[in-house]
Amino acid sequence: DTAVSQTPKYLVTQMGNDKSIKCEQNLGHDTMYWYKQDSKKFLKIMFSYNNKELIINETVPNRFSPKSPDKAHLNLHINSLELGDSAVYFCASSHRDLHNSPLHFGNGTRLTVT
Amino acid sequence: QKEVEQNSGPLSVPEGAIASLNCTYSDRVSQSFFWYRQYSGKSPELIMSIYSNGDKEDGRFTAQLNKASQYVSLLIRDSQPSDSATYLCAVTTGTASKLTFGTGTRLQVTL
Repeated sequence: DTAVSQTPKYLVTQMGNDKSIKCEQNLGHDTMYWYKQDSKKFLKIMFSYNNKELIINETVPNRFSPKSPDKAHLNLHINSLELGDSAVYFCASSHRDLHNSPLHFGNGTRLTVT
Repeated sequence: QKEVEQNSGPLSVPEGAIASLNCTYSDRVSQSFFWYRQYSGKSPELIMSIYSNGDKEDGRFTAQLNKASQYVSLLIRDSQPSDSATYLCAVTTGTASKLTFGTGTRLQVTL
């Protein structure tokens, strides 16, 4: 199946822990993204990588560190988790120019910090 | 002012009626506009894209774009209960690679 897949689907952890979310796409896209969707359903971009190069880095605490080993993979590592990090994190991919290449989303990772 | 604004709803329409969803955006140079549908607990899925002024129809869906007014809308004809979801307006802002979403409008289609 061609898709954007991310793991894990659910992540429950305590404050102060470090966790990672993994994402892979086999759509042949060259750009990947991390979005955060809060409890009010607002979907906000965090990072974007194009061919392993960081091209968008929104105002995100430096506890969040993305890593792209190749253009098909984009992982998100979060240090010292806080209660406010609880959200659904979506990975997405597209070609770099979104004109004629809409975002394709993964199924999301629901992170709960207790 | 938010970059992309939508009425959060809920917008309630009876089955078979036309649902009209609206979105305004602040970046005058935005070039690409999208409507995504998101069911509860699921990921957003693309339903329409529009790039030039006017109307674009796809089945029961029509997207309308007016760049002069910085306004994009989505019409859903013959609304079905299965259309009940949150509809997210998304606009490229700043660069062609950055997609900014509105807060979404929750649509409820009633029997």
